[in-house]
Amino acid sequence: SQQGEEDPQALSIQEGENATMNCSYKTSINNLQWYRQNSGRGLVHLILIRSNEREKHSGRLRVTLDTSKKSSSLLITASRAADTASYFCASRGSEKLVFGKGTKLTVNP
Amino acid sequence: GAVVSQHPSWVICKSGTSVKIECRSLDFQATTMFWYRQFPKQSLMLMATSNEGSKATYEQGVEKDKFLINHASLTLSTLTVTSAHPEDSSFYICSASGGSVGELFFGEGSRLTVL
Repeated sequence: SQQGEEDPQALSIQEGENATMNCSYKTSINNLQWYRQNSGRGLVHLILIRSNEREKHSGRLRVTLDTSKKSSSLLITASRAADTASYFCASRGSEKLVFGKGTKLTVNP
Repeated sequence: GAVVSQHPSWVICKSGTSVKIECRSLDFQATTMFWYRQFPKQSLMLMATSNEGSKATYEQGVEKDKFLINHASLTLSTLTVTSAHPEDSSFYICSASGGSVGELFFGEGSRLTVL
C-alpha cells in the first residue's frame, strides 16, 4: 500500500488539553504536510515541513519531522472544540502527495 | 490562498450512467492536478495524476477506462466515471499544484452516489 500509518486512529480529549498525532511514511520525501478535514468536507492545509527541517510552528500547531525514522508528529496545544476533525499527514516525494490513514480527533467541551 | 473549485459538489445517478466531475483552478494555472478518492471513514487514495496536454498517469489498481481524465487546459481537469456502479459511490477530491513550493490546493470534493 502506498499509504503511511498514523496513530492513534482516534483521539478524544477535553478542551484545553494538548493533542498529539503521529505519522509514519514509507519513501524518501521532499516535504511532509498536515491537513485537516471536517466531516464530509474538503481538505484544509495546515502546515508544511521540508525534509531538511526538524521542527516547525504555526500558531497552536507544532510539527516535528524525523527523516531517519520516517516519522512526523503534529501537536495541537490548548485544544478547542472547533479543532474536532480528522487530521491527515501527507508525504510528498518528487510530485505525488501520499496521505496517511488519518487521526480522528474529538475535543470535548 | 489559491482556490480550487469542484463541480458538482454532490451527484446521484443510476447504475450504468456516466458522471463527469470538474476541477478548476480559479486564480492560478495548474499544469498538474491530482484526483483522489475517499471512502467513508477512510483516507484519501490517489487515483491519478493529470497533466495538462498529455495523458493522465494512473495509480496501480485504478482502471483508466473507467475513470477517464482529461486535462485540456491549465485551469481545468475533468474526471468521468463511466458506467458507474454502486461500488463507485465515494467522495472524489481533486487538488492542483500551484504557487508556493510543495503546497497543493484542494477542491471541496464531489460526493457521488450511484443507485
